[in-house]
Amino acid sequence: GAVVSQHPSWVICKSGTSVKIECRSLDFQATTMFWYRQFPKQSLMLMATSNEGSKATYEQGVEKDKFLINHASLTLSTLTVTSAHPEDSSFYICSAYTRTGGGQPQHFGDGTRLSIL
Amino acid sequence: QQQVKQSPQSLIVQKGGISIINCAYENTAFDYFPWYQQFPGKGPALLIAIRPDVSEKKEGRFTISFNKSAKQFSLHIMDSQPGDSATYFCAASISGSRLTFGEGTQLTVNP
Repeated sequence: GAVVSQHPSWVICKSGTSVKIECRSLDFQATTMFWYRQFPKQSLMLMATSNEGSKATYEQGVEKDKFLINHASLTLSTLTVTSAHPEDSSFYICSAYTRTGGGQPQHFGDGTRLSIL
Repeated sequence: QQQVKQSPQSLIVQKGGISIINCAYENTAFDYFPWYQQFPGKGPALLIAIRPDVSEKKEGRFTISFNKSAKQFSLHIMDSQPGDSATYFCAASISGSRLTFGEGTQLTVNP
């Protein structure tokens, strides 16, 4: 089945640093990738939608200058948390969407646990 | 219009019992209704999904019941096992793209 690889799976860094998270679709081309944030015992909250080669669309309340999204190819999207602070600590999950006929349209990565000290 | 309401928030079931989780949506444009299973520290994994042209879909021990007129759908897990203990999310979308998730249900199956 389709696989989405997310890297790193866990990162700990100091406050003020920037962290990049990669999301790759390994065996299919994703027309769209989504980035979610999930706090403990809560649901997934959509942060932004990115289409290959165009600017990401951010959900209301998500700072686009804090969460930089790049979708350079049909198999790779990156999320960079700039000048991260403890309140940015969360579980970040990506998903890759493909419009191919039949089958599951959206595939999730295994998430990245970000801890800011 | 974009909300998906899920209940219960938590559910405890004995091994071999039936687990039932319910969801309700508002946007009648939604045409894809998946259920996801999530274990701690992992991303959500698709369990089963339904489109509104059918009222029920069964895959193994998992069944979705869909009521278009009531704008409700539910997940039934038959013969629940301790390994089914996880968080379950319903979701809804248009054409399988931008997903709107329910709040989640923490399922515990006691041995």
